[in-house]
Amino acid sequence: GNSVTQMEGPVTLSEEAFLTINCTYTATGYPSLFWYVQYPGEGLQLLLKATKADDKGSNKGFEATYRKETTSFHLEKGSVQVSDSAVYFCASIQGAQKLVFGQGTRLTINP
Amino acid sequence: AAGVIQSPRHLIKEKRETATLKCYPIPRHDTVYWYQQGPGQDPQFLISFYEKMQSDKGSIPDRFSAQQFSDYHSELNMSSLELGDSALYFCASSTGQGPYEQYFGPGTRLTVT
Repeated sequence: GNSVTQMEGPVTLSEEAFLTINCTYTATGYPSLFWYVQYPGEGLQLLLKATKADDKGSNKGFEATYRKETTSFHLEKGSVQVSDSAVYFCASIQGAQKLVFGQGTRLTINP
Repeated sequence: AAGVIQSPRHLIKEKRETATLKCYPIPRHDTVYWYQQGPGQDPQFLISFYEKMQSDKGSIPDRFSAQQFSDYHSELNMSSLELGDSALYFCASSTGQGPYEQYFGPGTRLTVT
């Protein structure tokens, strides 16, 4: 079955630092890939998505590129803000099926 | 834009009691998913419905049951509650057509004492 592996956290950065959160997937075919963000005490918000190889998803300054050759979907942001502090989940899905999540990465941005 | 609605937002029950969680999907979404998130863990899939029929089943205990109604809302029924059932329960909805991105509700925090 499908699986998703994220870099272990927590990750602590200073404001305006560059962010990378690694995500790799395994799948029998070509899943759609997502990044979700969960702020403290809240639900999961869809941050960005990519549905096929070489697609780049982007939103709120975050980007991730679907790399078939490395089965990766790393999340990046050029300059993080304190308000980006949250837990980030990488996830995959094939067809109209369940989302398979990575273990989540807790990000803390210090002023 | 309308979002997924879940009720109640918080629920406190005692061991061996029952609980019912409700989910109202985004209008025109015909697929509903239920996930359970324990403290510090990633969400785990429980069950899903498409057009009122169960479409997939995950690690849902036999003590739990769910259904989707004619108006597409869904209910998760939990009986003989155990301390380990304390968690956040999320409902998500999507359309039955690609790319199947799922939109999550705010969750119901269930505490079993």
